[in-house]
Amino acid sequence: GAGVSQSPSNKVTEKGKDVELRCDPISGHTALYWYRQSLGQGLEFLIYFQGNSAPDKSGLPSDRFSAERTGGSVSTLTIQRTQQEDSAVYLCASSLEMGLVGETQYFGPGTRLLVL
Amino acid sequence: SQQGEEDPQALSIQEGENATMNCSYKTSINNLQWYRQNSGRGLVHLILIRSNEREKHSGRLRVTLDTSKKSSSLLITASRAADTASYFCATDLGASGGSYIPTFGRGTSLIVHP
Repeated sequence: GAGVSQSPSNKVTEKGKDVELRCDPISGHTALYWYRQSLGQGLEFLIYFQGNSAPDKSGLPSDRFSAERTGGSVSTLTIQRTQQEDSAVYLCASSLEMGLVGETQYFGPGTRLLVL
Repeated sequence: SQQGEEDPQALSIQEGENATMNCSYKTSINNLQWYRQNSGRGLVHLILIRSNEREKHSGRLRVTLDTSKKSSSLLITASRAADTASYFCATDLGASGGSYIPTFGRGTSLIVHP
């Protein structure tokens, strides 16, 4: 079946603009995760959803970042008033369940964001 | 901060040689997973090893886990140019809101020369 998809693949924006990044998880996966990866760095965990609920938002870098998930499916990550340090690859992953130790995550191809 | 840290940061070998990457972590874990990433894009799950396992094989991959040393190694035997990628270990950091969040290191960049 189809894997995790993300859009857009690439986004170039000007400093101060808002951007929306979209993630379509694998159908039936209840858990969804957002990560950020800066050049040459590891994955920085941002937020996860179990269904439509995000129990822990402490991983979001600042209050300019927000995320939502509707219908237990599509999720959007919104960055308001973008800054140059927001430039990174934003990766989305989904897994069948949450709370099961060792659940495999399936990653999307990522959105490469460049803030000029 | 990352829970798992891979070393070396970069590894360059010739096709046919074996590649060994290591991962160290700080706190107790329930499981450790290895992922592969091509060209800064999405990660692909390779193998999972649980805390009560010491070694696991999958094709040309061999993973070991030493919980007393809080470390794991990934061995790729008979490497191929197509194995060129970044390799990450991920550990379950622990409960967050009652669930486990995989936490990734910075990765090892492997280059296999044909």
